[in-house]
Amino acid sequence: EDKVVQSPLSLVVHEGDTVTLNCSYEVTNFRSLLWYKQEKKAPTFLFMLTSSGIEKKSGRLSSILDKKELSSILNITATQTGDSAIYLCAAFQGAQKLVFGQGTRLTINP
Amino acid sequence: DVKVTQSSRYLVKRTGEKVFLECVQDMDHENMFWYRQDPGLGLRLIYFSYDVKMKEKGDIPEGYSVSREKKERFSLILESASTNQTSMYLCASSPPWTGNTIYFGEGSWLTVV
Repeated sequence: EDKVVQSPLSLVVHEGDTVTLNCSYEVTNFRSLLWYKQEKKAPTFLFMLTSSGIEKKSGRLSSILDKKELSSILNITATQTGDSAIYLCAAFQGAQKLVFGQGTRLTINP
Repeated sequence: DVKVTQSSRYLVKRTGEKVFLECVQDMDHENMFWYRQDPGLGLRLIYFSYDVKMKEKGDIPEGYSVSREKKERFSLILESASTNQTSMYLCASSPPWTGNTIYFGEGSWLTVV
C-alpha cells in the first residue's frame, strides 16, 4: 500500500527560529515528491523534487530529496508568523496518483 | 492561469440525502482527482479519472461515486450522505505526467447533519 508519513504532526516555534519538517514515502513507481503549504483554502505548491541530493530553494524555504532513504525535508529559516500553516508532503507515483501525508501543522508565535 | 472551480463552497445536507459536488477545470487536463481532507489525516484520495468516462478508485471510495462525462467536469456523488462524510472536499486536475504539479480547487466544505 502506498504511504507517505510526515513528522512532526504539529510544531510550535518562535518567530526567527529555523524549522525542519520531515517526510518519508513508500510508493510504487515513485516519480517525484511535492511540498505544499495550506492556509485556510486549497494547498499552494512549494516545491517538486525528482532528483536526489539537489536542494531547491525559494527565499527562506528549501527542500531536498533523499531517494536512498525514501525521504525529504523542508527547511524554513528565520520563520515569520506568516509561515504558520499546514505543510503537506505528497509523492507522485506511477499511476499518476498523488499520495499525501497527514500534514504538519506549523505555528509560529511572535 | 489554471482554474479549477468547485461550484459549491459550503453545503449542509441531511443524513440520507444525495449530494453532488461539481468540479470544472479550464486547462484541458486529462487527469482529475477528488480528495477529502480531515484533521490529522491529510488528504485522502477518493477517486481519480485519467480520461473521459474513465475512473479509478482511490484509497477511500466507499460511500462515493464519480462521473466524468466531459473532459472538463468531474463530479463526486454521495448517494446517501452520512455524518462521517462531513469533511472538506478538494478537487484537483493535472496534465498527464510531465513532471508538473496538480492544481487544486478552493474546496467544498460539506456538513452532514
